[in-house]
Amino acid sequence: GDSVTQMEGPVTLSEEAFLTINCTYTATGYPSLFWYVQYPGEGLQLLLKATKADDKGSNKGFEATYRKETTSFHLEKGSVQVSDSAVYFCALSDLGNTPLVFGKGTRLSVIA
Amino acid sequence: GAVVSQHPSRVICKSGTSVKIECRSLDFQATTMFWYRQFPKKSLMLMATSNEGSKATYEQGVEKDKFLINHASLTLSTLTVTSAHPEDSSFYICSARDFAGNYEQYFGPGTRLTVT
Repeated sequence: GDSVTQMEGPVTLSEEAFLTINCTYTATGYPSLFWYVQYPGEGLQLLLKATKADDKGSNKGFEATYRKETTSFHLEKGSVQVSDSAVYFCALSDLGNTPLVFGKGTRLSVIA
Repeated sequence: GAVVSQHPSRVICKSGTSVKIECRSLDFQATTMFWYRQFPKKSLMLMATSNEGSKATYEQGVEKDKFLINHASLTLSTLTVTSAHPEDSSFYICSARDFAGNYEQYFGPGTRLTVT
């Protein structure tokens, strides 16, 4: 079945550091790919998405590019802030009405 | 973006009682809603898929008689935890897919259940 693998955390960075969170996937079809963010005590918020190969999703300084050849969707940000501290989930959706398949999540802590 | 609400946001109940959690899509119609459970510092575990007007589809290992799901309208799904026990304490999150059936799921803010 479909699956998502993302780097295990926790990841601790200093403010203004460069962030990469790796995500790779396996899927039988051509999935849409997502990054969700969960702030402490809250539900999930969609951060960005890409629906086809070579698409780049971006939001709030975060970016991720759908790489079909490497089955990857790595999340990057050039300069993290303390407010970016959260858990980040990579996810995919293969068919229109199937639930999202989530990675295990990566906890990011940014220190001033 | 689309909004999904959950109520209550936090609930504490005694062992043996039942608790109902509501999930509402506020500005769109959701033919399909999903219920997830999240353990501390863990990922989301899909519990069931709820389709409006039909029985929910439960994931393997999820007791359907314990976690009752009702999706009576296009904007409301409820999860009732029956005869709750301390091990049912968790963070429950719902999500909804809009009537147009695009790939995006909109998540509720979650409900923290504590069973004492």
